[in-house]
Amino acid sequence: GENVEQHPSTLSVQEGDSAVIKCTYSDSASNYFPWYKQELGKRPQLIIDIRSNVGEKKDQRIAVTLNKTAKHFSLHITETQPEDSAVYFCAAFHLSGGSYIPTFGRGTSLIVHP
Amino acid sequence: EAGVTQSPTHLIKTRGQQATLRCSPISGHTSVYWYQQALGLGLQFLLWYDEGEERNRGNFPPRFSGRQFPNYSSELNVNALELEDSALYLCASNTGRGSETQYFGPGTRLLVL
Repeated sequence: GENVEQHPSTLSVQEGDSAVIKCTYSDSASNYFPWYKQELGKRPQLIIDIRSNVGEKKDQRIAVTLNKTAKHFSLHITETQPEDSAVYFCAAFHLSGGSYIPTFGRGTSLIVHP
Repeated sequence: EAGVTQSPTHLIKTRGQQATLRCSPISGHTSVYWYQQALGLGLQFLLWYDEGEERNRGNFPPRFSGRQFPNYSSELNVNALELEDSALYLCASNTGRGSETQYFGPGTRLLVL
């Protein structure tokens, strides 16, 4: 089955700095890679996603890059703000039993210090 | 538009008992996914229901089961509860096969004593 590794598990940055979270996956047939943000006590929210036919996608301060050859994808947050503090999860959708299902990384706790 | 709702918000059970968790998807969504979020383990895929049928299940024992009703709401049942079943159980919904973006509910926190 699919295996998704996410690093780092904790990331501490100063307000205004950039933050990068990386995920690797094992199944080369995985085709969809979303990123979720989960604030303390709240539900996960989709913040950006990328499909296997695209190398990079950007949405204001957030960007995701995908390297299919190396089987890794990364989340980039620029000009971080204290409200970016949360746990971020990556996921890879892969074929299992005839349909695509997600495997999630273990999460990265991002702390942005004012 | 109302989001995904789950009930109850918290549930306390003892080992060996059964737990029933409920999920109502966003109106118009036909697929419901269930996840277990145990501390430090991220989200583990449990079950996927679409159009009333189980379409896929994750690597969990058969005592984790569920169903989807004609109105697309869903129920997760956990039999013979074990201490390690203590976790946040999240459901998510979307518009069905071919759709990837999932919208999550607030979760049910299950504590097994």
